[in-house]
Amino acid sequence: AQSVTQPDIHITVSEGASLELRCNYSYGATPYLFWYVQSPGQGLQLLLKYFSGDTLVQGIKGFEAEFKRSQSSFNLRKPSVHWSDAAEYFCAVDNQGGKLIFGQGTELSVKP
Amino acid sequence: EPEVTQTPSHQVTQMGQEVILRCVPISNHLYFYWYRQILGQKVEFLVSFYNNEISEKSEIFDDQFSVERPDGSNFTLKIRSTKLEDSAMYFCASKRDLSSNQPQHFGDGTRLSIL
Repeated sequence: AQSVTQPDIHITVSEGASLELRCNYSYGATPYLFWYVQSPGQGLQLLLKYFSGDTLVQGIKGFEAEFKRSQSSFNLRKPSVHWSDAAEYFCAVDNQGGKLIFGQGTELSVKP
Repeated sequence: EPEVTQTPSHQVTQMGQEVILRCVPISNHLYFYWYRQILGQKVEFLVSFYNNEISEKSEIFDDQFSVERPDGSNFTLKIRSTKLEDSAMYFCASKRDLSSNQPQHFGDGTRLSIL
Protein backbone atom coordinates (compact mmCIF):
# COMPACT_ATOMS: atom_id res chain seq x y z
CA ALA A 1 0.00 0.00 0.00
CA GLN A 2 1.10 3.51 -0.63
CA SER A 3 2.30 5.50 2.33
CA VAL A 4 4.17 8.65 3.19
CA THR A 5 6.38 9.12 6.22
CA GLN A 6 7.56 12.41 7.62
CA PRO A 7 9.92 11.39 10.40
CA ASP A 8 10.09 14.79 12.09
CA ILE A 9 6.94 15.89 13.88
CA HIS A 10 8.34 19.24 14.95
CA ILE A 11 11.41 21.16 13.84
CA THR A 12 12.70 24.47 15.14
CA VAL A 13 15.20 26.53 13.16
CA SER A 14 16.62 30.00 13.56
CA GLU A 15 15.59 32.69 11.14
CA GLY A 16 18.10 32.80 8.31
CA ALA A 17 19.21 29.22 8.83
CA SER A 18 18.77 26.53 6.23
CA LEU A 19 15.94 24.03 6.40
CA GLU A 20 15.41 20.47 5.30
CA LEU A 21 12.17 18.60 5.93
CA ARG A 22 12.26 14.89 5.29
CA CYS A 23 9.75 12.82 3.40
CA ASN A 24 9.87 9.15 2.48
CA TYR A 25 7.27 7.42 0.40
CA SER A 26 6.26 3.90 -0.43
CA TYR A 27 4.81 3.48 -3.88
CA GLY A 28 5.26 0.86 -6.54
CA ALA A 29 5.36 2.97 -9.67
CA THR A 30 6.78 6.37 -10.46
CA PRO A 31 5.19 8.62 -7.88
CA TYR A 32 3.65 12.01 -8.25
CA LEU A 33 4.89 13.89 -5.20
CA PHE A 34 3.81 17.12 -3.59
CA TRP A 35 4.60 19.39 -0.72
CA TYR A 36 1.80 21.47 0.78
CA VAL A 37 1.97 24.10 3.50
CA GLN A 38 -0.76 24.86 6.00
CA SER A 39 -0.73 28.00 8.11
CA PRO A 40 -2.86 27.95 11.28
CA GLY A 41 -6.55 27.94 10.46
CA GLN A 42 -5.86 27.95 6.74
CA GLY A 43 -6.18 25.51 3.90
CA LEU A 44 -3.45 23.63 2.09
CA GLN A 45 -1.30 25.61 -0.29
CA LEU A 46 0.75 23.80 -2.90
CA LEU A 47 4.47 24.56 -2.57
CA LEU A 48 5.79 22.35 -5.35
CA LYS A 49 5.25 19.15 -7.23
CA TYR A 50 7.22 16.41 -8.94
CA PHE A 51 5.89 14.35 -11.80
CA SER A 52 8.86 13.44 -13.93
CA GLY A 53 12.04 14.82 -15.43
CA ASP A 54 14.44 16.94 -13.44
CA THR A 55 14.67 15.54 -9.95
CA LEU A 56 15.26 18.94 -8.38
CA VAL A 57 12.07 20.95 -8.47
CA GLN A 58 11.58 24.57 -7.58
CA GLY A 59 8.50 25.85 -5.83
CA ILE A 60 7.05 29.00 -4.45
CA LYS A 61 8.45 31.04 -1.56
CA GLY A 62 12.02 29.93 -2.31
CA PHE A 63 11.43 26.24 -1.55
CA GLU A 64 12.87 23.36 -3.52
CA ALA A 65 12.70 19.60 -3.24
CA GLU A 66 14.78 16.77 -4.58
CA PHE A 67 13.36 13.43 -5.67
CA LYS A 68 15.70 10.54 -4.97
CA ARG A 69 14.29 7.29 -6.26
CA SER A 70 17.04 5.18 -4.71
CA GLN A 71 16.14 6.50 -1.26
CA SER A 72 12.38 6.82 -1.87
CA SER A 73 12.68 10.36 -0.62
CA PHE A 74 11.41 13.79 -1.55
CA ASN A 75 12.95 16.19 0.94
CA LEU A 76 11.98 19.83 1.05
CA ARG A 77 14.68 22.47 1.42
CA LYS A 78 15.06 26.18 1.80
CA PRO A 79 18.44 27.91 2.07
CA SER A 80 17.32 30.70 4.41
CA VAL A 81 14.18 30.47 6.52
CA HIS A 82 11.98 33.49 7.22
CA TRP A 83 9.74 33.89 10.26
CA SER A 84 6.71 33.73 7.95
CA ASP A 85 7.65 30.17 7.00
CA ALA A 86 6.43 28.92 10.38
CA ALA A 87 3.62 26.53 9.49
CA GLU A 88 2.83 22.85 9.08
CA TYR A 89 4.26 21.12 6.04
CA PHE A 90 2.76 18.06 4.44
CA CYS A 91 4.31 15.72 1.94
CA ALA A 92 1.87 13.79 -0.25
CA VAL A 93 1.86 11.19 -2.99
CA ASP A 94 -0.77 10.90 -5.70
CA ASN A 95 -1.82 7.35 -6.39
CA GLN A 96 -2.40 8.33 -10.04
CA GLY A 97 -6.10 7.85 -9.52
CA GLY A 98 -6.11 11.33 -8.08
CA LYS A 99 -6.25 10.42 -4.40
CA LEU A 100 -3.59 12.13 -2.30
CA ILE A 101 -1.97 10.24 0.54
CA PHE A 102 -0.48 12.56 3.10
CA GLY A 103 2.28 12.22 5.62
CA GLN A 104 1.76 13.11 9.26
CA GLY A 105 3.08 16.59 8.73
CA THR A 106 6.04 18.49 10.15
CA GLU A 107 5.43 21.57 12.23
CA LEU A 108 8.07 24.20 11.63
CA SER A 109 8.84 26.81 14.25
CA VAL A 110 11.19 29.69 13.49
CA LYS A 111 13.27 31.33 16.22
CA PRO A 112 14.12 35.00 15.88
CA GLU B 1 -6.16 32.99 -9.70
CA PRO B 2 -9.33 30.90 -9.37
CA GLU B 3 -9.75 29.10 -6.10
CA VAL B 4 -11.83 26.50 -4.34
CA THR B 5 -14.27 28.03 -1.87
CA GLN B 6 -15.88 26.29 1.08
CA THR B 7 -18.77 27.31 3.27
CA PRO B 8 -19.28 27.67 6.12
CA SER B 9 -15.84 28.19 7.60
CA HIS B 10 -17.06 26.83 10.93
CA GLN B 11 -20.08 24.65 11.63
CA VAL B 12 -21.26 23.70 15.09
CA THR B 13 -23.82 20.89 15.22
CA GLN B 14 -25.46 18.73 17.84
CA MET B 15 -24.60 15.04 17.76
CA GLY B 16 -27.10 13.09 15.71
CA GLN B 17 -27.96 16.00 13.47
CA GLU B 18 -27.38 16.12 9.75
CA VAL B 19 -24.81 18.51 8.36
CA ILE B 20 -24.03 19.59 4.82
CA LEU B 21 -20.67 21.05 3.93
CA ARG B 22 -20.50 23.02 0.73
CA CYS B 23 -17.77 23.54 -1.79
CA VAL B 24 -17.47 25.41 -5.05
CA PRO B 25 -14.64 23.84 -7.05
CA ILE B 26 -12.69 25.70 -9.70
CA SER B 27 -14.99 26.07 -12.66
CA ASN B 28 -13.18 24.04 -15.33
CA HIS B 29 -12.16 21.24 -12.99
CA LEU B 30 -13.63 17.78 -13.43
CA TYR B 31 -12.41 15.83 -10.40
CA PHE B 32 -13.54 16.60 -6.88
CA TYR B 33 -12.39 15.37 -3.51
CA TRP B 34 -13.15 15.55 0.18
CA TYR B 35 -10.51 15.11 2.85
CA ARG B 36 -10.66 15.47 6.58
CA GLN B 37 -8.12 16.36 9.23
CA ILE B 38 -8.84 15.51 12.83
CA LEU B 39 -7.11 17.96 15.14
CA GLY B 40 -3.43 17.14 15.42
CA GLN B 41 -3.58 14.36 12.86
CA LYS B 42 -2.78 14.02 9.20
CA VAL B 43 -5.03 14.84 6.30
CA GLU B 44 -7.05 11.77 5.28
CA PHE B 45 -8.76 11.05 1.99
CA LEU B 46 -12.51 10.53 2.16
CA VAL B 47 -13.86 10.37 -1.36
CA SER B 48 -13.26 11.29 -4.97
CA PHE B 49 -15.97 12.17 -7.45
CA TYR B 50 -16.01 12.35 -11.22
CA ASN B 51 -18.71 12.43 -13.85
CA ASN B 52 -21.44 12.53 -11.20
CA GLU B 53 -20.36 9.43 -9.40
CA ILE B 54 -17.95 8.33 -6.71
CA SER B 55 -14.63 7.18 -8.15
CA GLU B 56 -13.05 6.01 -4.94
CA LYS B 57 -13.84 6.15 -1.24
CA SER B 58 -11.98 5.32 1.92
CA GLU B 59 -13.10 3.10 4.77
CA ILE B 60 -13.94 6.28 6.68
CA PHE B 61 -16.61 7.11 4.11
CA ASP B 62 -19.34 4.87 5.46
CA ASP B 63 -23.09 4.97 4.94
CA GLN B 64 -23.38 8.11 7.06
CA PHE B 65 -21.56 10.07 4.38
CA SER B 66 -22.73 11.07 0.94
CA VAL B 67 -21.59 13.46 -1.74
CA GLU B 68 -23.50 15.25 -4.41
CA ARG B 69 -23.03 17.72 -7.19
CA PRO B 70 -26.51 19.21 -7.20
CA ASP B 71 -25.81 21.75 -9.92
CA GLY B 72 -22.98 22.82 -12.17
CA SER B 73 -21.02 24.59 -9.48
CA ASN B 74 -21.53 23.11 -6.00
CA PHE B 75 -20.09 19.93 -4.53
CA THR B 76 -21.47 18.91 -1.15
CA LEU B 77 -20.57 16.48 1.61
CA LYS B 78 -23.44 15.34 3.80
CA ILE B 79 -23.09 13.58 7.12
CA ARG B 80 -26.44 12.09 7.94
CA SER B 81 -26.21 11.57 11.69
CA THR B 82 -23.14 13.19 13.12
CA LYS B 83 -21.00 11.63 15.82
CA LEU B 84 -18.53 13.23 18.17
CA GLU B 85 -15.66 11.69 16.22
CA ASP B 86 -16.78 13.52 13.08
CA SER B 87 -15.35 16.70 14.58
CA ALA B 88 -12.58 17.68 12.20
CA MET B 89 -11.51 20.07 9.51
CA TYR B 90 -12.99 19.07 6.17
CA PHE B 91 -11.22 20.08 2.99
CA CYS B 92 -12.61 20.11 -0.49
CA ALA B 93 -10.24 19.87 -3.44
CA SER B 94 -10.55 19.89 -7.19
CA LYS B 95 -8.36 18.92 -10.08
CA ARG B 96 -8.74 19.76 -13.73
CA ASP B 97 -8.05 16.28 -14.99
CA LEU B 98 -5.97 13.23 -14.18
CA SER B 99 -3.06 14.15 -16.42
CA SER B 100 0.32 14.09 -14.79
CA ASN B 101 0.97 17.79 -14.37
CA GLN B 102 -2.20 18.78 -12.60
CA PRO B 103 -2.18 19.25 -8.83
CA GLN B 104 -5.20 19.33 -6.57
CA HIS B 105 -6.31 22.74 -5.40
CA PHE B 106 -7.66 22.92 -1.87
CA GLY B 107 -10.19 25.16 -0.20
CA ASP B 108 -9.60 26.73 3.20
CA GLY B 109 -11.69 24.07 4.88
CA THR B 110 -14.75 23.86 7.10
CA ARG B 111 -14.15 23.26 10.77
CA LEU B 112 -16.92 20.96 11.99
CA SER B 113 -17.53 20.81 15.72
CA ILE B 114 -19.95 18.20 17.05
CA LEU B 115 -21.37 18.83 20.51
